[in-house]
Amino acid sequence: DAKTTQPNSMESNEEEPVHLPCNHSTISGTDYIHWYRQLPSQGPEYVIHGLTSNVNNRMASLAIAEDRKSSTLILHRATLRDAAVYYCILPGLGNTGTASKLTFGTGTRLQVTL
Amino acid sequence: NAGVMQNPRHLVRRRGQEARLRCSPMKGHSHVYWYRQLPEEGLKFMVYLQKENIIDESGMPKERFSAEFPKEGPSILRIQQVVRGDSAAYFCASSPNRGTYNEQFFGPGTRLTVL
Repeated sequence: DAKTTQPNSMESNEEEPVHLPCNHSTISGTDYIHWYRQLPSQGPEYVIHGLTSNVNNRMASLAIAEDRKSSTLILHRATLRDAAVYYCILPGLGNTGTASKLTFGTGTRLQVTL
Repeated sequence: NAGVMQNPRHLVRRRGQEARLRCSPMKGHSHVYWYRQLPEEGLKFMVYLQKENIIDESGMPKERFSAEFPKEGPSILRIQQVVRGDSAAYFCASSPNRGTYNEQFFGPGTRLTVL
């Protein structure tokens, strides 16, 4: 799997936007960019994924650089419930031709304060 | 549609005992993954199974650990002769088979404590 680099931690005030960066300079042309998050004492939770174009869903937006060597997860209005560790992952394709295991790095620990 | 279910949620074993962790994937999902999270560390992939087949076990310790996903029933992660270093949270995830991208849905985890 291609390597990703994220800041160890970030802070945000509640109801403000949060931009979580991820560098993936060795990304290949077929690598999707996935984001998961893990709230305290819970299992990871899928957030969003994309390939080339920017993506939006009810949880977040994903902005992908034109050269695809970096991406940014955007939480438009952070709440206390968004405090979690956010993981940027490029799972690649397994030997069955489909995405398989996820390789979690250290992620970014997001703190949200009132 | 119920999410991924894992049981037990908490398991306490003494050194040398066996631990059996169960995972019921989401309805319609035929792919199961097991991950381990040691205290204060990130999640590490252990094994990927489809019904009755092990697809990728590159993250499984060579000894004492085994996994299965039978035709009927939940997936089982089995740890024989547990040691204190096996104390961790074990997460199961499942995914459907939709082609080149498969979002993984995680269960709440089983927290194993070895005394």
